[in-house]
Amino acid sequence: SQKIEQNSEALNIQEGKTATLTCNYTNYSPAYLQWYRQDPGRGPVFLLLIRENEKEKRKERLKVTFDTTLKQSLFHITASQPADSATYLCALDRGSGNTGKLIFGQGTTLQVKP
Amino acid sequence: DTAVSQTPKYLVTQMGNDKSIKCEQNLGHDTMYWYKQDSKKFLKIMFSYNNKELIINETVPNRFSPKSPDKAHLNLHINSLELGDSAVYFCATSAADTQYFGPGTRLTVL
Repeated sequence: SQKIEQNSEALNIQEGKTATLTCNYTNYSPAYLQWYRQDPGRGPVFLLLIRENEKEKRKERLKVTFDTTLKQSLFHITASQPADSATYLCALDRGSGNTGKLIFGQGTTLQVKP
Repeated sequence: DTAVSQTPKYLVTQMGNDKSIKCEQNLGHDTMYWYKQDSKKFLKIMFSYNNKELIINETVPNRFSPKSPDKAHLNLHINSLELGDSAVYFCATSAADTQYFGPGTRLTVL
């Protein structure tokens, strides 16, 4: 069956360290994978998209990798700050292209301690 | 200006009632969605509309009926509410590959 999984346990790290979140999927061949941030009581906010032919993508302190052989994406936040504390969701298109039919992981909650 | 807005933000109602949630977007996007996020935080797509036409309809009970009066609005009407309908409902729009979510409506069925 098709699955997309994130580490459901909260990730606690010290300010200034690099946070690494994992997203694994099975039985999909997504054209791209996305990462969203969700704060309590709010809707998800788009952060980054990485396509199947891209190994890595960066945006400021954020970095995403995409390994289609391992069927895994890693999401890194460097020089983490308490303001980065939130739940991070990965999502991929269930179709083979941009069908808009996103399937989301359950999210990993990141807590950055000062 | 809020890009995607939903009303109400909170909705508390009794089992068996009928309720509606409204969504409006000012981004000019053609595609709009309804998602349900349950207590375990799983976010699942329910419906998708493109230019007022239904294009995605997941396995959702018939009690849920989306309505799109125009491109900027997608409302969700729920009949005969059940306890299991309690969740946060998000409206979203998309442009290219990115989705933009509303603030959510927390529905509690007593």
